[in-house]
Amino acid sequence: EVQLLESGGGLVQPGGSLRLSCAASGFTFSSYAMSWVRQAPGKGLEWGSAISGSGDDTYHADSVKGRFTISRDNSKNTLYLQMNSLKAEDTAVYYCAKHPRSRWSSYWYFDLWGRGTLVTVSS
Amino acid sequence: QSALTQPASVSGSPGQSITISCTGTSSDVGGYNYVSWYQHHPDKAPKLMIYEVSNRPSGVSNRFSGSKSGNTASLTISGLQAEDEADYYCSSYTSSNTYWVFGGGTKLTVL
Repeated sequence: EVQLLESGGGLVQPGGSLRLSCAASGFTFSSYAMSWVRQAPGKGLEWGSAISGSGDDTYHADSVKGRFTISRDNSKNTLYLQMNSLKAEDTAVYYCAKHPRSRWSSYWYFDLWGRGTLVTVSS
Repeated sequence: QSALTQPASVSGSPGQSITISCTGTSSDVGGYNYVSWYQHHPDKAPKLMIYEVSNRPSGVSNRFSGSKSGNTASLTISGLQAEDEADYYCSSYTSSNTYWVFGGGTKLTVL
């Protein structure tokens, strides 16, 4: 079955760190770019980070740049998001999402999503 | 505040048609044919319903259709069914350095 399964969410104090994982199955993981998209409570979706299929190209939104790092291990079919210096406004459900090609340019949509993992930043 | 504007809620009876609007600017919706729509049932994974304004992925019912006029994109669902009750989000490529922008979501209620 083609699916994405996020894990690693939880409660963390402001200034703390957390690493999210997204396990992919049912498709050739290394052939597709991946992204992290988040949804704060009561808000809309917000794209945060993207990585190419090979992992040689990454891109982060200004809201997370310098604090979050996206990476992938194609041998483990797993996507990661290392989140440092967390703030209360980072509280959200984090979704991993698959792009339709190995690079995101010219294909500006997400064709597969996971169910998400909740990150709560609070003291 | 989300970059794209959607109505907070819409409703319709089974069998009817509804349309959800998504308004942006010439830097996103109006400037490119890269609008996509996602269906999200609570506690489930969001699902791609429409990409590049009007294209349906394999497996998506032809009751779902997309269109665009100027800076506003629309998702139309015809022959409403109870299973269509969900949140719907639009998204677009944007020429800003964010690349992807989303709407705030529309809750569809099937009466």
